[in-house]
Amino acid sequence: SQTIHQWPATLVQPVGSPLSLECTVEGTSNPNLYWYRQAAGRGLQLLFYSVGIGQISSEVPQNLSASRPQDRQFILSSKKLLLSDSGFYLCAWSASGPRQETQYFGPGTRLLVL
Amino acid sequence: AQSVAQPEDQVNVAEGNPLTVKCTYSVSGNPYLFWYVQYPNRGLQFLLKYITGDNLVKGSYGFEAEFNKSQTSFHLKKPSALVSDSALYFCAVRGDTGGFKTIFGAGTRLFVKA
Repeated sequence: SQTIHQWPATLVQPVGSPLSLECTVEGTSNPNLYWYRQAAGRGLQLLFYSVGIGQISSEVPQNLSASRPQDRQFILSSKKLLLSDSGFYLCAWSASGPRQETQYFGPGTRLLVL
Repeated sequence: AQSVAQPEDQVNVAEGNPLTVKCTYSVSGNPYLFWYVQYPNRGLQFLLKYITGDNLVKGSYGFEAEFNKSQTSFHLKKPSALVSDSALYFCAVRGDTGGFKTIFGAGTRLFVKA
């Protein structure tokens, strides 16, 4: 069966510090991968998605970036965090192919920027 | 453009009563429709989906949803609510005309009172 991991679970960082959040998927190959941000326990904002190694699409311009160095690894980064970067970050995967519709989510990382 | 509307921020229901969480959508082409549930400080869990076929879809934990093409709706239902059903529920949609972007609604918080 497939599993998705995210770490760390919780992170407190000062403004201006760098960020690296990691997401890995097990039990599948060539998944589509997604990063979302959820603010105030409400709606999801799609930040990035990837259909393959090194292929990243950005949905929202911001000071965040994403990378996919390996097939099942997806990393969210920032060089300098802003207060507005605080939130709950969710990674998700879906199967590749024409019916890659259902997304499965990781447990999330709660980021607090002070 | 794709969109999803969850008209109720919050739904309150007594334990043992039927519950309905509403969702309407707009997509190009045929819709792929999903419901997810989120418990506090957790990732989203997939409940059920409609791709094609029977308009009544059954999912996890006794939930079901009815696809209504003429009303462009996909309401989530359960015949008898449990206190443990209290959570945040998200409706999501993707059109079948291509692309990887799934649109999520803003979420509806369900409170089930004992």
